[in-house]
Amino acid sequence: ELKVEQNPLFLSMQEGKNYTIYCNYSTTSDRLYWYRQDPGKSLESLFVLLSNGAVKQEGRLMASLDTKARLSTLHITAAVHDLSATYFCAVDIDTDKLIFGTGTRLQVFP
Amino acid sequence: DTEVTQTPKHLVMGMTNKKSLKCEQHMGHRAMYWYKQKAKKPPELMFVYSYEKLSINESVPSRFSPECPNSSLLNLHLHALQPEDSALYLCASSPLYGPWGYTFGSGTRLTVV
Repeated sequence: ELKVEQNPLFLSMQEGKNYTIYCNYSTTSDRLYWYRQDPGKSLESLFVLLSNGAVKQEGRLMASLDTKARLSTLHITAAVHDLSATYFCAVDIDTDKLIFGTGTRLQVFP
Repeated sequence: DTEVTQTPKHLVMGMTNKKSLKCEQHMGHRAMYWYKQKAKKPPELMFVYSYEKLSINESVPSRFSPECPNSSLLNLHLHALQPEDSALYLCASSPLYGPWGYTFGSGTRLTVV
């Protein structure tokens, strides 16, 4: 059974600090996505990682993919309150099945 | 047009009602999906249509019935639902190939009373 696990499940961090969210998955895949979800809202696409070693950055967020280790990371640099949300990684299986991770609820406080 | 449009945004229905959720995309995507998301949980895959044919059914109860009338439209017919079926229902589409990934709609918030 495919498992996509995120660590931590809940993250409370101070503004200005750095932190990394980890996404581990249990099957072979070279396509991984990161999404942001605000309470009561739909999913906002953040990053599409399509190959081993892929690294993408947008503002204070940077995502990477290591397909050999079956690991993706989402690094947060100098957190601000606006980043407070739930973050999901999702693994693409056979190009037609997207399985989501457990989610990381991020709270940034002053 | 780079959006997936879902209607209605909110739906309240009784356990004996029949209702439908609608999803539409005009990006030429060849696959469309239904996901169910309970509060504080990740989205769970329900159905996948590839090239207008049902390719994946994740053991969803028969009170949920998907339909793909054409490549741009996806429906989810609801009948005899239970209160535990209350959730956010998300539609998504993808081109299947290429670097563009999945596009999600804004969702339908369903409450079963």
